[in-house]
Amino acid sequence: QSALTQPPSVSGSPGQSVTISCTGTSSDVGSYNRVSWYQQPPGTAPKLMIYEVSNRPSGVPDRFSGSKSGNTASLTISGLQAEDEADYYCSSYTSSSTLLFGGGTKLTVL
Amino acid sequence: QLQLQESGPGLVKPSETLSLTCTVSGGSISSSIYYWGWIRQPPGKGLEWIGSIYFSGSTFYNPSLKSRVTISVDTSKNQFSLKLSSVTAADTAVYYCARRQRYTNAFDPWGQGTLVTVSS
Repeated sequence: QSALTQPPSVSGSPGQSVTISCTGTSSDVGSYNRVSWYQQPPGTAPKLMIYEVSNRPSGVPDRFSGSKSGNTASLTISGLQAEDEADYYCSSYTSSSTLLFGGGTKLTVL
Repeated sequence: QLQLQESGPGLVKPSETLSLTCTVSGGSISSSIYYWGWIRQPPGKGLEWIGSIYFSGSTFYNPSLKSRVTISVDTSKNQFSLKLSSVTAADTAVYYCARRQRYTNAFDPWGQGTLVTVSS
């Protein structure tokens, strides 16, 4: 099984919005709403930001939102802040009862 | 609040078996709505799911690692463990344990991670 496809990097200025895509197949992202997004600042463990495509855990700012269309899920961060600079990973459940992660996207706040 | 802590050797020789334990505190590992999982991250690279286990002992493994991986659970100690056999330098990584929600499949929370280096 191949990793989900994410852009290696995205960037934006403070206050702007950025969107990170996560492309899979009809055997994972396309078939299940079990897509999650994780934020990983340098040197720290990943933190859950979005689950089930678009749900935010308690404590995650509403600037973070998720969506899905077909085989592609997306994470949008609006009102960018310096503290949002981190690596972001998507994950999806698969038809083989396994889990896949994306390759990760480095977000730079300019 | 629930916390997870990985423990085990930080250095393993090639061809030997990597063994790690995750201790769960602040909650029961025997909850029916959670799995418990291992994820690794080679230096400078992305996340890779290794496998998950239910408190009953049911396991799910990454097909690419399945032949070398064993995950077990000890409910009396509130711990679960990872064994990865025949390791090579490619298995050098930060290994994380995490709780996985059974229905959403989201990992939360995560342990702090432990670096395991494979070298002679």
